[in-house]
Amino acid sequence: EAQLVESGGGLVQPGGSLRLSCAASGFTFSSYWTSWVRQAPGKGLEWVASIKEDGSEKSYVDPVKGRFTISRDNAENSLYLQMDSLRAEDTAVYYCARGNDFSIWGQGTMVTVSS
Amino acid sequence: DIQMTQSPSSLSASVGDRVTITCRASRGVMNYLAWFQQKPGKAPKSLIYAASSLQSGVPSRFSGSGSGTDFTLTISSLQPEDFATYYCQHYKTFPITFGQGTRLEIK
Repeated sequence: EAQLVESGGGLVQPGGSLRLSCAASGFTFSSYWTSWVRQAPGKGLEWVASIKEDGSEKSYVDPVKGRFTISRDNAENSLYLQMDSLRAEDTAVYYCARGNDFSIWGQGTMVTVSS
Repeated sequence: DIQMTQSPSSLSASVGDRVTITCRASRGVMNYLAWFQQKPGKAPKSLIYAASSLQSGVPSRFSGSGSGTDFTLTISSLQPEDFATYYCQHYKTFPITFGQGTRLEIK
């Protein structure tokens, strides 16, 4: 069964950093674009970043450009999101999702940015 | 950026009802349109991709249609487990954007 499992969330102070991970299993990870999507408490879904199958292309939503970095390790079947200079407005559940059509989602990991 | 607008924002319906949710893109997205279902405290679940293709395992009472700027998600006969929030999303270009969501509640 295809599955994605996120980890790495937690409480961090404004200006701090956090690295999220997403472990893939049950499918050929290296064959899919993969993305991060977030959802602030009580709000809708917001696409954050995507990375091509081989890591050669990356794209970000404007509010995170220059602060977040998406990467992947196909040998480890893993996706990452390095989040620096965190702000209160980055507080959200972060999901990873598979493919151009976001066909498979992980269960999410909560990131709270607060002093 | 392409803006996605869903209507209605909320909807009350009864088990057995036929329900339609619409999604409009601010400019054409061809058929690069997906629909998701989300229940409280859970991750979104993919229902429809490429505007009208049903994801594996999704009941056939769900269907999608449209192309260009106007799209619909139809549930032919509501079941108790269908009460949730539904989102449309385009994936034609970056930035990918979602609609604001439609909350489907029990009447």
